[in-house]
Amino acid sequence: QLQLQESGPGLVKPSETLSLTCTVSGGSISSSSYYWGWIRQPPGKGLEWIGSIYYSGSSHYNPSLKSRVTLSVDTSKNQFSLRLSSVTAADTAVYYCARRFTSSFGFDIWGQGTVVTVSS
Amino acid sequence: QSALTQPRSVSGSPGQSVTISCTGTSSDVGGYNYVSWYQQHPGKAPKLMISDVSQRPSGVPDRFSGSKSGNTASLTISGLQAEDEADYYCCSFAGSYTFVVFGGGTKLTVL
Repeated sequence: QLQLQESGPGLVKPSETLSLTCTVSGGSISSSSYYWGWIRQPPGKGLEWIGSIYYSGSSHYNPSLKSRVTLSVDTSKNQFSLRLSSVTAADTAVYYCARRFTSSFGFDIWGQGTVVTVSS
Repeated sequence: QSALTQPRSVSGSPGQSVTISCTGTSSDVGGYNYVSWYQQHPGKAPKLMISDVSQRPSGVPDRFSGSKSGNTASLTISGLQAEDEADYYCCSFAGSYTFVVFGGGTKLTVL
């Protein structure tokens, strides 16, 4: 049973860079069948797609965040990562990593989510 | 403001059916058969309920069904049960620039 687990600092200062890692267990990140994505949810609000990455490193980003987001993948560690620069309080959210089949549209496996607060 | 429009809330009694709408444009919902629906209970991660407009993943009860007409997708839950009370989000592919958009979410209350 494939599982995803987010990890990273729970508190980030304004203007700094948020860095999170998603560890894939019970399966390989190098499968050609999946995209790996990040989605966030501000407190009391809805879901926002941040971006998705393929095991090859090919990535797509939300246009509203593209200038500040970098996704990367480390196949040797079975992990993929998110970096969000120049954060503000508006970036405070629960951050989820998730898997999506390349052949269908739906994020079928999600991590439990990690809370990131932007505050000085 | 979310790219896809959902009603803020819907409600129904146990055993009844409810339908949640998700309205987009021809650039997202109307342009592709790539709509998914998620159920989210408080404090939990979202759960995929429907993919590709109407496909139910293994383990999702057949009480949940999806459809699409023009720029509006719909999630119908029949035979409402207490455990169906949750937030529901729609999601659509939106082309090779925007890629993925979510709806603002709908709170389902089982009376």
